[in-house]
Amino acid sequence: AQSVTQPDIHITVSEGASLELRCNYSYGATPYLFWYVQSPGQGLQLLLKYFSGDTLVQGIKGFEAEFKRSQSSFNLRKPSVHWSDAAEYFCAVLSGGSYIPTFGRGTSLIVHP
Amino acid sequence: DAGVIQSPRHEVTEMGQEVTLRCKPISGHDYLFWYRQTMMRGLELLIYFNNNVPIDDSGMPEDRFSAKMPNASFSTLKIQPSEPRDSAVYFCASSPLAGGPGEQYFGPGTRLTVT
Repeated sequence: AQSVTQPDIHITVSEGASLELRCNYSYGATPYLFWYVQSPGQGLQLLLKYFSGDTLVQGIKGFEAEFKRSQSSFNLRKPSVHWSDAAEYFCAVLSGGSYIPTFGRGTSLIVHP
Repeated sequence: DAGVIQSPRHEVTEMGQEVTLRCKPISGHDYLFWYRQTMMRGLELLIYFNNNVPIDDSGMPEDRFSAKMPNASFSTLKIQPSEPRDSAVYFCASSPLAGGPGEQYFGPGTRLTVT
């Protein structure tokens, strides 16, 4: 069965600093991987996705993520965080043949001015 | 496109009352999902539809919960009778087959409070 772990419940960064949010998955083959963002009072929005090919994927709002098979990871990065990036971030994994992603518990990003 | 539309945005009701949550998916999307989000349990999939047909309702917590999708542009999630532990944010999401599996578009959610 597919599963995903986001080891950090909260992350605090200063505005302008770089960001990396961790995501580890459990699945035998190469899964489909996603990052979603949820701003307060809103639904989840897709930031980026990985299906195959280049292991470094670019998303919206200046985010990128790198798929590392050897580490079963799909970490989300941003070189310079803006105050508006404060939100909840969810990693999701999907195994082949399924249309139902499994979501992690989320990481809350706090941005200090 | 207006995105996934949910109504109401907020619902406060008393225990024992019937609650109906509504969702209009994005036009042309083949899949529709109902989720529940709480601090304790995170994001839980309740049920999903493909082409208006319920495919998997194993996440529906109890018989008090029911969902329908009478046509491609409308779905409801009903709780009868409601209980305080049903208090949560309920999300509807839709997904296009062509967009690839797992790519979901979420509505803004309905925050349900049962007193």
